[in-house]
Amino acid sequence: EVQLVESGGGLVQPGGSLRLSCAASGFTFSTYNMNWVRQAPGKGLEWVSYISTSSNTIYYADSVKGRFTISRDNAKSSLSLQMNSLRAEDTAVYYCARDVLKFDCWGQGTLVTVSS
Amino acid sequence: EIVMTQSPATLSVSPGERATLFCRASQSVDSNLAWYQQKPGQAPRLLVYDASTRATGIPARFSGSGSGTEFTLTISSLQSEDFAVYYCQQYNKWPPWTFGQGTKVEIK
Repeated sequence: EVQLVESGGGLVQPGGSLRLSCAASGFTFSTYNMNWVRQAPGKGLEWVSYISTSSNTIYYADSVKGRFTISRDNAKSSLSLQMNSLRAEDTAVYYCARDVLKFDCWGQGTLVTVSS
Repeated sequence: EIVMTQSPATLSVSPGERATLFCRASQSVDSNLAWYQQKPGQAPRLLVYDASTRATGIPARFSGSGSGTEFTLTISSLQSEDFAVYYCQQYNKWPPWTFGQGTKVEIK
């Protein structure tokens, strides 16, 4: 069974940092591009970041560029998102999603709350 | 950036009735459009891709159509489990991948 499991969310103060992880199983992780997508409370879906299979190509949404860093470890079937200089508007559920152009598999999400 | 606009924001439908959801792109996305279903507290689930291809395990009552800038998701006979929020997403020109703001299908 294809599975993505996020972890690492929590409460952090504005300006703080947090590292999210996504553990993949049930498929050959190294052959899939991956993404992070977020959803603020009561709002819609917003794409955050993309990483190619070999980490050669990385993209970020303008809203997080320069603050967030995506990475992956194919040997561990793991995806990460390092989030620095967090703002209140970064409060959201963060999902990792497998990329086949469309997003065909999603994790259950991890909640990040930025508040003092 | 391609802007995706969905209508209506909320659709009130009785069980067994037909529901039609719309999605418009600010420029052509060819057939590179997906629909997702999201229930409260759950992750989105891929329903339709390439505008009209149902994803694995998706019932035949869900159908997608359209190309270019105008797209439709039709649920032929609403079941209780279909009441949810539906999002369209374009993957023709990226980054960024862009989603519509969602259509909530609620029980009438």
